[in-house]
Amino acid sequence: EAQVTQNPRYLITVTGKKLTVTCSQNMNHEYMSWYRQDPGLGLRQIYYSMNVEVTDKGDVPEGYKVSRKEKRNFPLILESPSPNQTSLYFCASLHGGTGELFFGEGSRLTVL
Amino acid sequence: KQEVTQIPAALSVPEGENLVLNCSFTDSAIYNLQWFRQDPGKGLTSLLLIQSSQREQTSGRLNASLDKSSGRSTLYIAASQPGDSATYLCAVITDKLIFGTGTRLQVFP
Repeated sequence: EAQVTQNPRYLITVTGKKLTVTCSQNMNHEYMSWYRQDPGLGLRQIYYSMNVEVTDKGDVPEGYKVSRKEKRNFPLILESPSPNQTSLYFCASLHGGTGELFFGEGSRLTVL
Repeated sequence: KQEVTQIPAALSVPEGENLVLNCSFTDSAIYNLQWFRQDPGKGLTSLLLIQSSQREQTSGRLNASLDKSSGRSTLYIAASQPGDSATYLCAVITDKLIFGTGTRLQVFP
């Protein structure tokens, strides 16, 4: 089954404790991206990757890092999380032929 | 800069009504436009994808149209049901992906 898988789905952490949210897709898509969703602000793009070893900033990249060492994986790294990074995070991949977006189930992160 | 607006922000209707949700975008140079459904606290489910060369797409009771020249897309839901209650998002795809803020739909029995 074609899917985008995120882990963890739920996480409560404390300020400053590094964490990584993993994202994996099994569709061999080249394009992957991360979004955060906040009430009243909608979905905002954090980082995206056009292919392996190619990443670029989205609209709200501050406080986040990403890496793309393999095509299937695109982890989101919070080196020193802060409470303003409390949000619902989504990973997505894009079918290069049709342009259709596929989303993961989301990761709800709370930073205390 | 591409801006995507969805109107109305919220909609509450009785079961059985036909609905139109609107999505407007400022830059007509888009690759695709995709409609999604999101249930509270859940991920996004793709409903319809319209490529830039297409005018509309249909899936069951859903029909989406695209008018690039006027910067508009509409999602038509026929014979609405309580199970259609959710937030509907449109996403405009250029070299970036820009989402509208959504229309929150409630269909009551």
